[in-house]
Order: sequence, then structure tokens, then C-alpha cells
Amino acid sequence: KNEVEQSPQNLTAQEGEFITINCSYSVGISALHWLQQHPGGGIVSLFMLSSGKKKHGRLIATINIQEKHSSLHITASHPRDSAVYICAPLGNQFYFGTGTSLTVIP
Amino acid sequence: DGGITQSPKYLFRKEGQNVTLSCEQNLNHDAMYWYRQDPGQGLRLIYYSQIVNDFQKGDIAEGYSVSREKKESFPLTVTSAQKNPTAFYLCASSYSTGGWGTDTQYFGPGTRLTVL
Repeated sequence: KNEVEQSPQNLTAQEGEFITINCSYSVGISALHWLQQHPGGGIVSLFMLSSGKKKHGRLIATINIQEKHSSLHITASHPRDSAVYICAPLGNQFYFGTGTSLTVIP
Repeated sequence: DGGITQSPKYLFRKEGQNVTLSCEQNLNHDAMYWYRQDPGQGLRLIYYSQIVNDFQKGDIAEGYSVSREKKESFPLTVTSAQKNPTAFYLCASSYSTGGWGTDTQYFGPGTRLTVL
């Protein structure tokens, strides 16, 4: 069974487009992380949030604990945003989504 | 510069051999973690340590062993008992010792292990 579902699995966008990646989870959680994995494999933690919304530069993350849903938005997308974005809810353990592969075309 | 280093980046071993993956951090973090990533799957936790000389099994600890003799270092040994060792291995660390995931995790660059 999948405790975490991300959509879409793959996404191609033109530079400048607004992008949304969705994450739904079935477990009770205390927080949720969004991670970015670059083609070389390195992972960067983008956000940790437990309610509401957080913004960092062109990235915005929202979470609705009651609906068990989180979204990651990228405004004015750029080719350097091309990466895999992973949703990781934290319940009594970490759960990891399989990731959304984003390609931004110039 | 502070960060997490993993070495080597690529590692090849013959079937039946034990191999140790290095993870070092100079962030003064108490907690350290090892994850495994396979194609099409999410990260899976192998082991974690919240303090020196203590570590806990994660979801897929069988066939792996760790040690935490120093705060900065958390090496992972992939033993011959691990049935499918070929994978991408990621080490991470965080400040928090009050329950992992309560603080941002910082990831190393990863080691891609291939068993021939």
C-alpha cells in the first residue's frame, strides 16, 4: 500500500510557467517535508511545514492537515528547477513519495 | 564549509563481499540517518542514530550494520547478507534528537553502489 501519493509523476513545463505538484497521504502526521533531488542524486530539503503555507523565493508550499494534502508551487519556473521533487510526510516514521520528475524547457 | 560528505560517489563490489560506505558531517548535528533509494521507489530508512553510541533500525535494516563512535561519523556496512545491495545510498543529518523529522534534514551527495 502507498501511504503517500504524488501527482503528477512526470511534468514538463515551459520556462516561466506556474507549476503545481500535489501530495496526498493517508497517515496521521505531525509535519511534512518537501525535498528536491537533482540529477546527480543530491537531495536538498526545501520546506518543513506542519500547517498553512511557507514561501521561499519562487517556491511556495501549502498543507491542509485535515484533508491530508500538500502542494508545492513554483512560480516563474526556470530550467534550473528541473529536478525530482519528493514529498515526505512524518507520522510515527518518515514516509516518502516516489517523487515528481520536473523538466523545465527554455 | 559545513556539510555532509559521502564517499565514494560510485562503488563497485563483487557479490559476497562486505562494503562500508562513509558518511561524515561537520554540522554538529546529533542525529544521522541512512536511506536507500531504488528506481521508482521512495527513500527507505535503513538505520538512524540520535546520539553517539546509539542507533536504531529503520524499515529495511536486514543485511546492513552501522556504528556511531563519533558524532561526526556514521558509516554503513552493506553485508553479504543483503540480498539486493545495488542501490543509491543517502546519508542525512539533523539537529533534532527529540524525534526525527522535527528538524530539517541535510543530505549528503549519495553513494551509488553496484554489486557485480
